[in-house]
Amino acid sequence: DGGITQSPKYLFRKEGQNVTLSCEQNLNHDAMYWYRQDPGQGLRLIYYSQIVNDFQKGDIAEGYSVSREKKESFPLTVTSAQKNPTAFYLCASSKLETGSNQPQHFGDGTRLSIL
Amino acid sequence: AQKVTQAQTEISVVEKEDVTLDCVYETRDTTYYLFWYKQPPSGELVFLIRRNSFDEQNEISGRYSWNFQKSTSSFNFTITASQVVDSAVYFCALRYSGAGSYQLTFGKGTKLSVIP
Repeated sequence: DGGITQSPKYLFRKEGQNVTLSCEQNLNHDAMYWYRQDPGQGLRLIYYSQIVNDFQKGDIAEGYSVSREKKESFPLTVTSAQKNPTAFYLCASSKLETGSNQPQHFGDGTRLSIL
Repeated sequence: AQKVTQAQTEISVVEKEDVTLDCVYETRDTTYYLFWYKQPPSGELVFLIRRNSFDEQNEISGRYSWNFQKSTSSFNFTITASQVVDSAVYFCALRYSGAGSYQLTFGKGTKLSVIP
């Protein structure tokens, strides 16, 4: 079945450590996104990518980095510069068309906590 | 700037009751899209519906219906005869439809609890 796979489901980070969250999709979507969700909050965009080897910052990119070396993959690294990384992270993808009304499809999420 | 407001933080209803989730948005764009997503306890967001800003027809899908009113900038979601499986957090979202814009602006969500 086509879909978005995020791993791991749960992740723990030590002080000063970088951790990487995986996101893979087999929907043949061009665009991919990373969101952060905090309790009682909506989703906030961290980074998005419309094409391989290109990505743009969202509203809260500080302390995060991404890469897009393959169409199917969009890993997110939470760096030690992100002082409050505890949150639920959601990856999404969508078709890419001008004026697109295509919905974004989401993975199951990764819950990141600080040790 | 775009903004989506879901004023109801949490709602509890008894099974089989009808419930309406409110969504009010702000945008300066003349063309845009509105979406509703459901987030069950498992965490993933499930797409429910999208609506173009120039299409004010209401839509019904089974027990779900959506009322889009451009005059009041609202896109409300009604569940008829609610069921326990409807318990989830529901998000309303907005996106400008112009070229190069793919960012969704989400509301903070409404947590719906359906009590058996």
